[in-house]
Amino acid sequence: AQKITQTQPGMFVQEKEAVTLDCTYDTSDPSYGLFWYKQPSSGEMIFLIYQGSYDQQNATEGRYSLNFQKARKSANLVISASQLGDSAMYFCAMRVPPGTYKYIFGTGTRLKVLA
Amino acid sequence: DAGVIQSPRHEVTEMGQEVTLRCKPISGHNSLFWYRQTMMRGLELLIYFNNNVPIDDSGMPEDRFSAKMPNASFSTLKIQPSEPRDSAVYFCASRGRAGSGELFFGEGSRLTVL
Repeated sequence: AQKITQTQPGMFVQEKEAVTLDCTYDTSDPSYGLFWYKQPSSGEMIFLIYQGSYDQQNATEGRYSLNFQKARKSANLVISASQLGDSAMYFCAMRVPPGTYKYIFGTGTRLKVLA
Repeated sequence: DAGVIQSPRHEVTEMGQEVTLRCKPISGHNSLFWYRQTMMRGLELLIYFNNNVPIDDSGMPEDRFSAKMPNASFSTLKIQPSEPRDSAVYFCASRGRAGSGELFFGEGSRLTVL
């Protein structure tokens, strides 16, 4: 069965420090895409970063990077130099398989950045 | 460019009433998704369309829910009759052919059924 698992319901991090949000996935399809979204308290869903299953290098977007470990089926989000504005809910999502465009979301991790 | 536009942003209705949520996807996007978000169940995919055709509606809770996409620029999600357990935030998202395939979400419609 295709599944996304986020085991950390809540995380705290000190401002300016780095934080890792965990995500594991399960699929038997060799081709898939992994995404991270941010949902601030205002409610909108903001796309952060994407990793394709065949990508050789870990994706990076500014302060966001994705630690992709294919053998472990993990796609952890790393936020460097945390800012107060990073306080939000973070969702990991998977698209499988190509062609049907079905996206599955995890349950999310609530991150609180402390001043 | 305008993003995904949803209306209404907030809806409060009484049990038994019909509710219609509307969505305008990003121009040029060919896939449209309806999600429901609750504290208990998180983000659930209800239905998605590709080129205006429903591809998978297995997430639609029951016959009270229906969705249509009459053209490439408009979709509706209808609940009739509504029940208190339908209270949630309903998101519409669209996806284009280009890019990494990320979904672009609307701001959501918060539904409260009394």
